[in-house]
Amino acid sequence: QKEVEQDPGPLSVPEGAIVSLNCTYSNSAFQYFMWYRQYSRKGPELLMYTYSSGNKEDGRFTAQVDKSSKYISLFIRDSQPSDSATYLCATDPSGNTGKLIFGQGTTLQVKP
Amino acid sequence: DAGVTQSPTHLIKTRGQQVTLRCSPKSGHDTVSWYQQALGQGPQFIFQYYEEEERQRGNFPDRFSGHQFPNYSSELNVNALLLGDSALYLCASSLPGSYEQYFGPGTRLTVT
Repeated sequence: QKEVEQDPGPLSVPEGAIVSLNCTYSNSAFQYFMWYRQYSRKGPELLMYTYSSGNKEDGRFTAQVDKSSKYISLFIRDSQPSDSATYLCATDPSGNTGKLIFGQGTTLQVKP
Repeated sequence: DAGVTQSPTHLIKTRGQQVTLRCSPKSGHDTVSWYQQALGQGPQFIFQYYEEEERQRGNFPDRFSGHQFPNYSSELNVNALLLGDSALYLCASSLPGSYEQYFGPGTRLTVT
C-alpha cells in the first residue's frame, strides 16, 4: 500500500464549478499535510498547508483533514480555467523536515 | 528575487553515462532537497542537504549522490545511468524547520 494515494483523474469541470480533490494516507501518525499545484513544465508550488485535523481556508481554496478516516481534501470554489493544473497532495511524516511524500497527482481541467 | 533556479533545462544522455544537475536555492534559503518525478507520478524524495552535508536520504541507490557548496547551491550526480532514470529532477529550497519548500522548474533528463 502506498503511503499517500491519489486518484490521477483526469478531472474535467465547467468554469465556476466547485472542485473536490482527495487523497488517502496510510499512517495515522502523519500530521503535516500540504497541497501543491503544478502547471505543465513547471515545478510544484505550495497552495495550502495544514497541521493535524480540521479545515483551513485561503481565498477560493479550502483544505480539510479527516484523521479518523485518513483522508485529506482540497476544495476549489468558483473554479477558473487558470486553475487547470496537476494538484499534488503531500505529507511530511517526520514533521517539517522537508522529506515529503507525494501522491500521484490529479490532473484538473476547467473548461470555459 | 530569482527564486530557485536549475540547470540545464533539458539533458539527453546515453545508458551508462554520468550526469550532473545544478540548483541554486532561493535567496536566504540554506536547505536544498532533490526529487525525481517520473511522467505521470508525484515527486519522490532523493536526498536533502544542509550545511554542506546530506541530512536525509530517500530510497535511492548509491548511484545518486550530491553535494552542497558554501553558497548553498547544490549538485545532483547520477552515475551509470539507466533508462529508468529518465524523469524530471526537481530541486526545492527551504529554511530549516520550515514547512514551506520552493521548487525550481526542474531538469528534464532523458536516458536513451
